[in-house]
Amino acid sequence: DADVTQTPRNRITKTGKRIMLECSQTKGHDRMYWYRQDPGLGLRLIYYSFDVKDINKGEISDGYSVSRQAQAKFSLSLESAIPNQTALYFCATSDTASGSLYNEQFFGPGTRLTVL
Amino acid sequence: AQKITQTQPGMFVQEKEAVTLDCTYDTSDPSYGLFWYKQPSSGEMIFLIYQGSYDQQNATEGRYSLNFQKARKSANLVISASQLGDSAMYFCAIPSGNTPLVFGKGTRLSVIA
Repeated sequence: DADVTQTPRNRITKTGKRIMLECSQTKGHDRMYWYRQDPGLGLRLIYYSFDVKDINKGEISDGYSVSRQAQAKFSLSLESAIPNQTALYFCATSDTASGSLYNEQFFGPGTRLTVL
Repeated sequence: AQKITQTQPGMFVQEKEAVTLDCTYDTSDPSYGLFWYKQPSSGEMIFLIYQGSYDQQNATEGRYSLNFQKARKSANLVISASQLGDSAMYFCAIPSGNTPLVFGKGTRLSVIA
């Protein structure tokens, strides 16, 4: 089974709809991240969480919100979806327990979201 | 804030040849690390290699190696003996201290038979 899972894997929705993307991990990592990927722009950070009580905005948080329901779950919401939020969304995790400052991030398979 | 630049939007390489993918970075932190990820057409992000700024030796993982030049702030990825399966997008990324990764815009590598 995959260590970082994302649901749904694909979603088509309409402008104005509320959408939730979910991420779960079985790696026991404390840190979780949401990125979006657009062609030619690489990955850009939306929100990140270093533990259950910690939520931080990333580079492009406008129009998004997150919830860290448990150490293993981190959800991304689009309150009112718009077409320019059409993108590939990745969840990622990393671990501070190893003692390394520069922790490798482990990515989920991605969610392809289309907003019509 | 950290910044990553990948100047090659696309690269072609003949199968079995070596290829170098460029990455330059800008950070004011004295201690940092450099990651490379691969994204095949299927979309997943695959970790390839990492090097910390205080590591003395350039990192090597199988056919992947990092040409890390701190004075020039560059950390180029070298892929030796290219294979058709190496065709993918490649991303360079830098964290620093407690901050998440900042990614470059990527280089699309195409391996030609």
